[in-house]
Amino acid sequence: AQSVTQPDIHITVSEGASLELRCNYSYGATPYLFWYVQSPGQGLQLLLKYFSGDTLVQGIKGFEAEFKRSQSSFNLRKPSVHWSDAAEYFCAVGAGGGNKLTFGTGTQLKVEL
Amino acid sequence: GAVVSQHPSRVICKSGTSVKIECRSLDFQATTMFWYRQFPKQSLMLMATSNEGSKATYEQGVEKDKFLINHASLTLSTLTVTSAHPEDSSFYICSAKSILAGARELFFGEGSRLTVL
Repeated sequence: AQSVTQPDIHITVSEGASLELRCNYSYGATPYLFWYVQSPGQGLQLLLKYFSGDTLVQGIKGFEAEFKRSQSSFNLRKPSVHWSDAAEYFCAVGAGGGNKLTFGTGTQLKVEL
Repeated sequence: GAVVSQHPSRVICKSGTSVKIECRSLDFQATTMFWYRQFPKQSLMLMATSNEGSKATYEQGVEKDKFLINHASLTLSTLTVTSAHPEDSSFYICSAKSILAGARELFFGEGSRLTVL
């Protein structure tokens, strides 16, 4: 069975600083990997996804993530954080053609002005 | 992008009553929809997979008689929480997968917050 670990429960960064959110996965085959963002009381918005090909994936809102098979990681990065990026971020791995998603426990991002 | 709509977004009910939550794909057809439950400050837990025209597949530990799922058309799935109790209070989120061949992305609704008094 697949699993996802997000080691950081909370992260606080200053506006304009760089950001890296960690994600490690466990899956027996080539994984489908996703990063989602959730604002309070809202659903999930897809930031980016990796299915195959280039291991550096570009997403919306200036986010990118790099798939590293040797480390079983899919860390999310952003060069310069904006106050509006404050939210909960979830990493997910998909089985069954990406359908059945298993989510990590999430990382709460706080941005200091 | 594709839009998935959930209704109601918030619902408060009395203990013992049943509540229905709708999940609609607005601009695409979805063969498969998924229902998740999210406890406060926790991750999303998959409850069941809903396939159009067939019975839902429930995850281990999810009571199928408590959480009734119906997927009557390619654009609508419903989750009915029967005889709701305060412990059923939670944030319920659905997602949908397009019927298009090769579709691998899921689109999420905005969630429905259920409060059982």
